[in-house]
Amino acid sequence: QKEVEQNSGPLSVPEGAIASLNCTYSDRGSQSFFWYRQYSGKSPELIMSIYSNGDKEDGRFTAQLNKASQYVSLLIRDSQPSDSATYLCAVRASGYSTLTFGKGTMLLVSP
Amino acid sequence: GAVVSQHPSWVICKSGTSVKIECRSLDFQATTMFWYRQFPKQSLMLMATSNEGSKATYEQGVEKDKFLINHASLTLSTLTVTSAHPEDSSFYICSASSTKDSYEQYFGPGTRLTVT
Repeated sequence: QKEVEQNSGPLSVPEGAIASLNCTYSDRGSQSFFWYRQYSGKSPELIMSIYSNGDKEDGRFTAQLNKASQYVSLLIRDSQPSDSATYLCAVRASGYSTLTFGKGTMLLVSP
Repeated sequence: GAVVSQHPSWVICKSGTSVKIECRSLDFQATTMFWYRQFPKQSLMLMATSNEGSKATYEQGVEKDKFLINHASLTLSTLTVTSAHPEDSSFYICSASSTKDSYEQYFGPGTRLTVT
């Protein structure tokens, strides 16, 4: 059974700090990895996708993938109170169109 | 780009009635659409996957006769909750993907259903 694990948090960081969110997955056949942000009462919003080992940067966000360790992370630099949300890690296995979601990590950025 | 809309955004219905929710991809052709349900403070639960012109594939435990899914075109999928009961009250979210984007899923804004 495919599993995606995240620390539920909350992860509390002060404004301006770097927030580090982590995710591990069980299926070695996983090919695509996504980070979604979900504000309370709203639907998820795709913020990053990563497909190969290494780092991928987009503005204040950096996704890191290590397939050997079955680990993917999201770094948020210069965290802002508006970044306070639940961050969902999602993984897609090769040959499948569905995503397996983690339960999400709640991030709280204090002013 | 990659905008998905849902209608209605919220709906209140009486127990025993049926409710239809529409999901549209506005600026791309969605080869696959997905329907999720989310209860308060819980994670997303995939209900079913639908491909245009094909029958939906339901996840284990989801009643296909209760949750009717139609994916009539590459931009429209509908979910009909039949004979709704209070326990069906939830946040229903659709998403859409195109193989052009390596299976990235783009979510609609969701529909909050309350059954009284």
